[in-house]
Amino acid sequence: SQKIEQNSEALNIQEGKTATLTCNYTNYSPAYLQWYRQDPGRGPVFLLLIRENEKEKRKERLKVTFDTTLKQSLFHITASQPADSATYLCAPYNAGNNRKLIWGLGTSLAVNP
Amino acid sequence: NAGVTQTPKFQVLKTGQSMTLQCAQDMNHNSMYWYRQDPGMGLRLIYYSASEGTTDKGEVPNGYNVSRLNKREFSLRLESAAPSQTSVYFCASSEQGGDTQYFGPGTRLTVL
Repeated sequence: SQKIEQNSEALNIQEGKTATLTCNYTNYSPAYLQWYRQDPGRGPVFLLLIRENEKEKRKERLKVTFDTTLKQSLFHITASQPADSATYLCAPYNAGNNRKLIWGLGTSLAVNP
Repeated sequence: NAGVTQTPKFQVLKTGQSMTLQCAQDMNHNSMYWYRQDPGMGLRLIYYSASEGTTDKGEVPNGYNVSRLNKREFSLRLESAAPSQTSVYFCASSEQGGDTQYFGPGTRLTVL
């Protein structure tokens, strides 16, 4: 069955460093993959989408890579700030799954001042 | 634009009671979704509506019913609430299935 895995343990980093979060998927080939941010007590908010023919996508301090051979996406936050502390969810899109997103459990990121 | 709105924000029910969670979107989206989120379980799809007039079961539909009232509104009904339905419920919408989803603020439901 289709499976999404994100870093299960919380990630703690120092302000100013680069945070790298991992999303691995198995048993299917998503046409694209989305990353969302979720703050405590709030709904997820869309950040970035990367397609299978794109190796890398950037938006301000955010960078996403998509390696279809490794079946992995990496999400980077450069020059991290305490305000970046949140849970980050990856959601690969599977056209075969009635056109719905499949959600990872998310990785909790804490950026310490 | 308000985006996706949900009511109520909080609700406490007793076992066996019924209630309807309301969701509305003002983005003219075709697809709408109901999720529940529990600690350690992530977002789990309860029901979705690919377009007005259609609804389909997600991963965890048991104990729930939905109504796509019109293009804007998608409601979730618990006919006989159980403690296992204590959760945070999110409604979301997207232009089409698989597109970027926009989430509401959530409803925190406790069933005693």
